[in-house]
Amino acid sequence: DAGVTQSPTHLIKTRGQHVTLRCSPISGHKSVSWYQQVLGQGPQFIFQYYEKEERGRGNFPDRFSARQFPNYSSELNVNALLLGDSALYLCASSLSAPRDNEQFFGPGTRLTVL
Amino acid sequence: AQSVTQLGSHVSVSEGALVLLRCNYSSSVPPYLFWYVQYPNQGLQLLLKYTSAATLVKGINGFEAEFKKSETSFHLTKPSAHMSDAAEYFCAVSKTGANNLFFGTGTRLTVIP
Repeated sequence: DAGVTQSPTHLIKTRGQHVTLRCSPISGHKSVSWYQQVLGQGPQFIFQYYEKEERGRGNFPDRFSARQFPNYSSELNVNALLLGDSALYLCASSLSAPRDNEQFFGPGTRLTVL
Repeated sequence: AQSVTQLGSHVSVSEGALVLLRCNYSSSVPPYLFWYVQYPNQGLQLLLKYTSAATLVKGINGFEAEFKKSETSFHLTKPSAHMSDAAEYFCAVSKTGANNLFFGTGTRLTVIP
């Protein structure tokens, strides 16, 4: 069975540009979460979506937005990129939103902002 | 507020030696606690989780962790290190369950042959 997939694998952008990252959850999973992992740090929670609705948001500026599609895939959008947005962006899926469901992480998209 | 502190950003052990990775948490409510492992160029994989059941939790690959409320700790151990255990390990806490995780800064484990 395919795990969580993310595209692209790597991305290079310049300051001020916009970026869209994509995530496909494990088949049957309805919840997707996004995390930002800056080099040398642990992942930080950005968003959680379940059944196409936002169910949680971390402490990130409004430049960050996301959505979930009817097939449960998800996009993370970041506007007006800053150098500090350079990071590994991880997507995780779980069966549903309830508390004991394990999150399965994808390999991430590495974003470099120049 | 919730947070975790991982003591030691780098830990080196000899193959066959005990692995001990430290994690202390801060949470205003009874926490859910997790240990994840990250291999180079891969996502995170769940090793084990504590969800207020047994305080000694057994995970995959021979790892286990003990929840100690009095010490606010959730240290990860493995009796005998294997070369394949070399990776980055993250402790995480949540007050709502498996989602909305707060991660520590990670501990890089090196296993010396």
